[in-house]
Amino acid sequence: AQSVAQPEDQVNVAEGNPLTVKCTYSVSGNPYLFWYVQYPNRGLQFLLKYITGDNLVKGSYGFEAEFNKSQTSFHLKKPSALVSDSALYFCAVRPESGSARQLTFGSGTQLTVLP
Amino acid sequence: DSGVTQTPKHLITATGQRVTLRCSPRSGDLSVYWYQQSLDQGLQFLIQYYNGEERAKGNILERFSAQQFPDLHSELNLSSLELGDSALYFCASSSRTFYGYTFGSGTRLTVV
Repeated sequence: AQSVAQPEDQVNVAEGNPLTVKCTYSVSGNPYLFWYVQYPNRGLQFLLKYITGDNLVKGSYGFEAEFNKSQTSFHLKKPSALVSDSALYFCAVRPESGSARQLTFGSGTQLTVLP
Repeated sequence: DSGVTQTPKHLITATGQRVTLRCSPRSGDLSVYWYQQSLDQGLQFLIQYYNGEERAKGNILERFSAQQFPDLHSELNLSSLELGDSALYFCASSSRTFYGYTFGSGTRLTVV
């Protein structure tokens, strides 16, 4: 079965500084990886995905993520954080093939960007 | 607006009662997924339907059931409700080309 670990429940960063939200995964075969963001009382919004190809993936709002197969990681990054980036971030994985292709989510990381 | 519509947005009900949550997927999406989000258990996959048929089951209680209708909308039925069922319930849909999910804004269920 697939799983996702987000080792940090909370990440605090100063506005203008770079941010990283960590994610590691476990899945059989090739992974499809995703990052979603959730603002208070809202649904999950898609940020970016890795399916195949370039290991560095660029997404919405200036976010990017790097797929590292050897470390089974897919960390979310942004060069310069904004206060408006403060939200709950979820990493998710699903296998490329097989019967269990539903997304499995990590426990989430609360990002707080301090002004 | 994500294109996935969930109703109602909020629901308050008493223990032992039964409720129905509704979801309309994005136009053209055949798959519907239901997730439960609670503070202590995060996002838990409940069940998936594809074009009217159950495709996968996750951590769904026997008191819960779901179905997908010919027009592709889906309903999640929760019965004999307990205080611990209080959570956000999300519906998501997917297409063959996107690989991920598009989520609705959720239904917040409060059992009192």
